[in-house]
Amino acid sequence: DQQVKQNSPSLSVQEGRISILNCDYTNSMFDYFLWYKKYPAEGPTFLISISSIKDKNEDGRFTVFLNKSAKHLSLHIVPSQPGDSAVYFCAASRNSGYALNFGKGTSLLVTP
Amino acid sequence: EPEVTQTPSHQVTQMGQEVILRCVPISNHLYFYWYRQILGQKVEFLVSFYNNEISEKSEIFDDQFSVERPDGSNFTLKIRSTKLEDSAMYFCASSTPGEDTEAFFGQGTRLTVV
Repeated sequence: DQQVKQNSPSLSVQEGRISILNCDYTNSMFDYFLWYKKYPAEGPTFLISISSIKDKNEDGRFTVFLNKSAKHLSLHIVPSQPGDSAVYFCAASRNSGYALNFGKGTSLLVTP
Repeated sequence: EPEVTQTPSHQVTQMGQEVILRCVPISNHLYFYWYRQILGQKVEFLVSFYNNEISEKSEIFDDQFSVERPDGSNFTLKIRSTKLEDSAMYFCASSTPGEDTEAFFGQGTRLTVV
């Protein structure tokens, strides 16, 4: 039962342009949403989060947008850099301390 | 910067053997978790632990699995009788209590059951 879906397994973007990674969820009980970045053979690294009371959260080059009515969130990276190349996981939970439900990930490649 | 540390980084074990995966969470964190990622699949929740007891577990976390916080710093995952399908990356994570706090993950232990 896939409660969190990332429908694009991969994305390729040119350096300097915007990367947009999308995520959909089905469980309306989810209240807290996170993006993690992962390199091969490493653990997920927290990137940015958003709670359900907000529709946008920004941290430097990273912005997460949440559309609760559509059960959709997206991560914008601008400008994209080659060092951003990694797998990005969307995750959702009922709140802190609860299980994170992960999507399958989107592999982002930023080319020079 | 504080981090979650896991040992060993790679464990090879024979089917049917018991394994213990070890984790040292970030020192002021109170929630502890185990997740796993089978090769090519998504990261899956196994169990969360708070106040010296399991607070939540998934259907993957059956009687073969157990967790323990044997002292003030370690958090362990034991698999009693390993199966081939237990081969995966196992990630420990920890977080602080409170609203909207993220979980920090360790580097993982690659478990290979042969």
